Amino acid sequence: EPEVTQTPSHQVTQMGQEVILRCVPISNHLYFYWYRQILGQKVEFLVSFYNNEISEKSEIFDDQFSVERPDGSNFTLKIRSTKLEDSAMYFCASSEIGQGGNTIYFGEGSWLTVV
Amino acid sequence: AQSVAQPEDQVNVAEGNPLTVKCTYSVSGNPYLFWYVQYPNRGLQFLLKYITGDNLVKGSYGFEAEFNKSQTSFHLKKPSALVSDSALYFCAVRDSGNTPLVFGKGTRLSVIA
Repeated sequence: EPEVTQTPSHQVTQMGQEVILRCVPISNHLYFYWYRQILGQKVEFLVSFYNNEISEKSEIFDDQFSVERPDGSNFTLKIRSTKLEDSAMYFCASSEIGQGGNTIYFGEGSWLTVV
Repeated sequence: AQSVAQPEDQVNVAEGNPLTVKCTYSVSGNPYLFWYVQYPNRGLQFLLKYITGDNLVKGSYGFEAEFNKSQTSFHLKKPSALVSDSALYFCAVRDSGNTPLVFGKGTRLSVIA
């Protein structure tokens, strides 16, 4: 079964450092998302991406965050200058284009710890 | 704006008993409703969804959910719980197209042998 893959699975970084989280969405999917979850709590939407541009973003997705699809397979989330409160599990997800009933499939997550 | 409420932080059930995890939603248009499960230190795994049609939706691992438009609910159910069902369950909603899913805060299910 196709799946969304994410790397790294866990990263520890110093406050103020840049972090790039990588994702390979399911191959025939065209919509990509990043969500985050702080310590097993609510899953929060960050950004959606379609046709090489941001489709929607939440208030969390400020100027410190950026997304990119550098080639035909990878989808990345960059945090420019990490803060302690950026510590969370970051989930990449993808879906086909649909009318609303298309399923969003999630990766296993990248656990980011900022120290 | 869309929203999802999962009124219970924790649900405890004995193995073999039926289980229900509650979810209510609010959307401006027609709802597209989803349930996901998260095992410890794992990603979100899709269980089932309601798009249209039959109000009773069947999904993975014997789970089902009932859509009730008048009560704006989409409760997750299973006739006979297993210890391996113990996990964190999230209800989610969107109202159209490829808009992001909005998640509830999650309900931790504990099935006791």
